[in-house]
Amino acid sequence: SQTIHQWPATLVQPVGSPLSLECTVEGTSNPNLYWYRQAAGRGLQLLFYSVGIGQISSEVPQNLSASRPQDRQFILSSKKLLLSDSGFYLCAWSRGNTNTEAFFGQGTRLTVV
Amino acid sequence: AQTVTQSQPEMSVQEAETVTLSCTYDTSESDYYLFWYKQPPSRQMILVIRQEAYKQQNATENRFSVNFQKAAKSFSLKISDSQLGDAAMYFCALGETSGSRLTFGEGTQLTVNP
Repeated sequence: SQTIHQWPATLVQPVGSPLSLECTVEGTSNPNLYWYRQAAGRGLQLLFYSVGIGQISSEVPQNLSASRPQDRQFILSSKKLLLSDSGFYLCAWSRGNTNTEAFFGQGTRLTVV
Repeated sequence: AQTVTQSQPEMSVQEAETVTLSCTYDTSESDYYLFWYKQPPSRQMILVIRQEAYKQQNATENRFSVNFQKAAKSFSLKISDSQLGDAAMYFCALGETSGSRLTFGEGTQLTVNP
């Protein structure tokens, strides 16, 4: 069966510090991978998605970047965090070459102080 | 661009009763997928039900069913025999077949009263 791991679960970082959130998927190959951000009580905003290694599409210009160094690994990064980067970040995967449902990780609550 | 609209920020239902959550969408695609996700207080996103746009038959999963009106671009979720564990934020989502993205609505917070 397929599983998705996302860590850390919570993170408190000072303004100006770097960020690295990691997500890995097991039990499938060539998945589509996604990073979403969710503000409190709101819907999900797609930040990045990837259909293959090294292929990253950005949906929203911002202070963040994403990378996919391996087929089942997706990393969200920032060189210098802003207060506005605080939020709940969700990684997700879906089966490549078909548009089926997305399966989500448990999320990371990021607080920038 | 795709859009998904959930016009009910909050809904409440009595335990064992039935509730319907509304969702409308807009897309230029002729083939797409629609989903309802549930997000309990743990914030884990859980798939409730999915509907392929090319299928006329409404999807059903136990107590959950949808009313898919393709011409009206409407996709409502009906929860029958509501249980306390159904209390959560519910999100409607639209997936395009020509790409790889899901577009989410703003969500409906469902409260189940005992």
